[in-house]
Amino acid sequence: DVKVTQSSRYLVKRTGEKVFLECVQDMDHENMFWYRQDPGLGLRLIYFSYDVKMKEKGDIPEGYSVSREKKERFSLILESASTNQTSMYLCASSPGPIGHGYTFGSGTRLTVV
Amino acid sequence: QKEVEQNSGPLSVPEGAIASLNCTYSDRGSQSFFWYRQYSGKSPELIMFIYSNGDKEDGRFTAQLNKASQYVSLLIRDSQPSDSATYLCAVQRRGGGNKLTFGTGTQLKVEL
Repeated sequence: DVKVTQSSRYLVKRTGEKVFLECVQDMDHENMFWYRQDPGLGLRLIYFSYDVKMKEKGDIPEGYSVSREKKERFSLILESASTNQTSMYLCASSPGPIGHGYTFGSGTRLTVV
Repeated sequence: QKEVEQNSGPLSVPEGAIASLNCTYSDRGSQSFFWYRQYSGKSPELIMFIYSNGDKEDGRFTAQLNKASQYVSLLIRDSQPSDSATYLCAVQRRGGGNKLTFGTGTQLKVEL
């Protein structure tokens, strides 16, 4: 089974801190994604990547950046954390061809105080 | 208009009944459709996907797709309390790469 591992399950950070969320997948998937999930708003795409060193903005990229230096690792960076970035963050990966669904990591619940 | 719409529920069904979950989408260029199940506090897990008009069955689950009417549905036969979860519909557009757009989910409660 594909395994997508997110480094932290719960995280509490202070306003203004730089925050790194790490995601690693072990099945050589080309595509990796970062979503946030909020009650009533569902899953919203922040950034995604189709290949190493490649990134594309999703629907809500403001306040975030990403890094993909190796195929298996996709990092989400909150440049200066704010309270409105308190959320559940979900990483996902999928194989290259279109038509495949995602495998999600277990999620990181981030609280910014 | 949202790209993917689902009734938030909760949808309550008795144990053993058929649960019917519906999803509509706005982009006619959508070509792949996915159903995910999400238990409270957990991440979504893929149940089924469907690409072609008609029905696709997998165990107790049947996905139905009608591209002309732009809806996709999920039927769960012989519903069990363990099916109680939020069900997310996701759509993949032609030319959108592998991105999925998710609905906000329907909460299903299966009652004893």
